Amino acid sequence: NAGVTQTPKFRILKIGQSMTLQCAQDMNHNYMYWYRQDPGMGLKLIYYSVGAGITDKGEVPNGYNVSRSTTEDFPLRLELAAPSQTSVYFCASSPRTSGGWETQYFGPGTRLLVL
Amino acid sequence: KNEVEQSPQNLTAQEGEFITINCSYSVGISALHWLQQHPGGGIVSLFMLSSGKKKHGRLIATINIQEKHSSLHITASHPRDSAVYICAVSPTETSGSRLTFGEGTQLTVNP
Repeated sequence: NAGVTQTPKFRILKIGQSMTLQCAQDMNHNYMYWYRQDPGMGLKLIYYSVGAGITDKGEVPNGYNVSRSTTEDFPLRLELAAPSQTSVYFCASSPRTSGGWETQYFGPGTRLLVL
Repeated sequence: KNEVEQSPQNLTAQEGEFITINCSYSVGISALHWLQQHPGGGIVSLFMLSSGKKKHGRLIATINIQEKHSSLHITASHPRDSAVYICAVSPTETSGSRLTFGEGTQLTVNP
């Protein structure tokens, strides 16, 4: 299994440009998440999904959009990029269990620089 | 005040030393997670626990639910243990296995 994959690894955007960060998992996990990590700060949840067709906002959703048309894929869309969106973005997934919580598996991250 | 606080923020040790990283949280939780972020940026889950103690190799994680506190111990530390260690909790009031993260503890182990 490849686990959680993310593309691209690194991207430079100009202010006002748009892009999509790709995330895919091959573990048949129901739950998927997008986080951003700023220097010296903890991971912040942007959006999450509990299954195909279902998404919800996290702590810092402004400036981002997501979709979940399949179990495997969870792309993150940045519209009108701003310098404040310079960060490292991590995608993660976890299985759904009866206990309601489970280990999360992280992708390798995408480093985004907005100039 | 963050819901998850870690201490220390930075820790430098000599190879072979016993290391403790602490995590305190202020909300009711379903589980607590310890994660490791490698110098290259990758994040892996080390432990998930809701009570007691877990051990994996030289790593030991403990949790005291009543005191809302967890510790991560590393015995016989080695330079390859150098990484950022992150505490995260699954708050009981959230859905979808969402996590709230601490800011991390940067550990450097010198040979």
